[in-house]
Amino acid sequence: EDQVTQSPEALRLQEGESSSLNCSYTVSGLRGLFWYRQDPGKGPEFLFTLYSAGEEKEKERLKATLTKKESFLHITAPKPEDSATYLCAVQGGGSQGNLIFGKGTKLSVKP
Amino acid sequence: GAVVSQHPSRVICKSGTSVKIECRSLDFQATTMFWYRQFPKQSLMLMATSNEGSKATYEQGVEKDKFLINHASLTLSTLTVTSAHPEDSSFYICSARTANTEAFFGQGTRLTVV
Repeated sequence: EDQVTQSPEALRLQEGESSSLNCSYTVSGLRGLFWYRQDPGKGPEFLFTLYSAGEEKEKERLKATLTKKESFLHITAPKPEDSATYLCAVQGGGSQGNLIFGKGTKLSVKP
Repeated sequence: GAVVSQHPSRVICKSGTSVKIECRSLDFQATTMFWYRQFPKQSLMLMATSNEGSKATYEQGVEKDKFLINHASLTLSTLTVTSAHPEDSSFYICSARTANTEAFFGQGTRLTVV
């Protein structure tokens, strides 16, 4: 069964304090691993897609990496506006394109 | 990125009534649309997958007669919650994709059944 586990559940950082969020997954035939950002009461906002182990992608203060078992979302020098819940999801080989989501990591960045 | 519009963003209805939620892809033609449900502090749970012009595929445990999905065109899918009850109160989110793109999500609909 395809499964996604994110840790930690919640993370509090001071502005400028870099850290990483973890996403561990088990999936049959990974077709893609996705990172989304979700603000309260809003739908997920697409950040990255990673397709194969060793791949990395960057966007502003965020960098996503992928291995065969997990993905990391690195946040460098975060700002208060980076506060949100970060969701990880996988698409398996047997799917119609639907995503299996983790529960997310709620990030709070204090000024 | 592509834009998916979901309407309404919030709705309150009386128990026993039906509610329709619309999901539109504004700048692309979505071959597939998905409907998710999200409870507080929980992950998004897939309810059903719909392809334009065909019947939706429902996930195990989701009542297809209660959650009616129509995907009449490449830019519009609707979810109708029939005979709503308080336990149906939740955050409903749609997403849309083409064969070659990642999924883009709507803003979500907060349904409260009183």
